[in-house]
Amino acid sequence: NAGVTQTPKFRILKIGQSMTLQCTQDMNHNYMYWYRQDPGMGLKLIYYSVGAGITDKGEVPNGYNVSRSTTEDFPLRLELAAPSQTSVYFCASSYIGYEQYFGPGTRLTVT
Amino acid sequence: DAKTTQPTSMDCAEGRAANLPCNHSTISGNEYVYWYRQIHSQGPQYIIHGLKNNETNEMASLIITEDRKSSTLILPHATLRDTAVYYCIVRVEGGGSQGNLIFGKGTKLSVKP
Repeated sequence: NAGVTQTPKFRILKIGQSMTLQCTQDMNHNYMYWYRQDPGMGLKLIYYSVGAGITDKGEVPNGYNVSRSTTEDFPLRLELAAPSQTSVYFCASSYIGYEQYFGPGTRLTVT
Repeated sequence: DAKTTQPTSMDCAEGRAANLPCNHSTISGNEYVYWYRQIHSQGPQYIIHGLKNNETNEMASLIITEDRKSSTLILPHATLRDTAVYYCIVRVEGGGSQGNLIFGKGTKLSVKP
């Protein structure tokens, strides 16, 4: 199993641009999550999903959108990128809310 | 708001046991204690969790006090690869928003040769 994979690993965006961060898991987990981590801080939950077609907001959802059309994929969309969205983004998955497995992260810089 | 309190940093000599404390004085009866760690620049890694009994797995041991207001994560023989930020998290088992992890700043453990 590859576990949780994320693409791209790094990205630089200009202010106002948009992009999609990809996340895929091959463990048949129901739950998937998106977190962001700012320098020196803990992770903050952006969005989560309890199954295909079901998503909900986390602590910091503004400026982001998600969709969950399949069990495996949970893309995160950034519209109109702002410098405040410069961060490391982690995707995670779990089986019915138990221990979460994290991907390697995407480092995003908005300038 | 974070429900746990951890020291900001700790040092440990390689080969010795690392004991990482966590206070969670407001823990509810249905909340579990979870430990994750994050090695520099990587995604967090699950270590162990427990409700009220002590737990042990191949990575670590978790000791929870009888009143459940505090716990200690024990790495029995710390290696340089155990240098990481360790997060203590309390959460309800299962799904929904109550099952989401809330990360604080954790304890930065430095294992020294």
